[in-house]
Amino acid sequence: SQKIEQNSEALNIQEGKTATLTCNYTNYSPAYLQWYRQDPGRGPVFLLLIRENEKEKRKERLKVTFDTTLKQSLFHITASQPADSATYLCALDAGNNRKLIWGLGTSLAVNP
Amino acid sequence: KAGVTQTPRYLIKTRGQQVTLSCSPISGHRSVSWYQQTPGQGLQFLFEYFSETQRNKGNFPGRFSGRQFSNSRSEMNVSTLELGDSALYLCASSLGGGQGSYNEQFFGPGTRLTVL
Repeated sequence: SQKIEQNSEALNIQEGKTATLTCNYTNYSPAYLQWYRQDPGRGPVFLLLIRENEKEKRKERLKVTFDTTLKQSLFHITASQPADSATYLCALDAGNNRKLIWGLGTSLAVNP
Repeated sequence: KAGVTQTPRYLIKTRGQQVTLSCSPISGHRSVSWYQQTPGQGLQFLFEYFSETQRNKGNFPGRFSGRQFSNSRSEMNVSTLELGDSALYLCASSLGGGQGSYNEQFFGPGTRLTVL
């Protein structure tokens, strides 16, 4: 079955630097992959979606890449700010049944 | 548009009791999905309802059930509560289109259930 792996260790970076988070999957390539942000005690918030035929997607300071050969997606936050501190989750479709499979998330802390 | 709302926000129950959680999706969204989130397991899919029908189901015991009403509002019920059911229960709505749609999820704030 499909599994997702995200860095379990928290990522600490300095304000202004680029944060890079990784999402690896183990089985078939999904039709699309999504990234969400979750703050403590709140529900996840959708950030970006990238389709299997897309290599890269951008939205303001966010960039997502999708490498089906490596079975990996990278999520970048450029010019990071303390307000970017949160847990970031990746989710991918589980095939034709429309379910989403979720990673455990990576905690990001941006230090001023 | 108003976001997804969930009630109650916090709930404390004892083992053996049952609980009903409610979710109101974004207006126009026909799909409602329920998730259980715990620190060790992350987001676990419970089930999805679309137009009052359960369209997908996760790997949870039959104690977990749900339904959706004609106005797309959804309820989730857990019977015979166990300590391990303590978790954040999240509801997410989406447009819920057919195959090929991308299923972007809009989450509510969640219900924090504590089972003592």
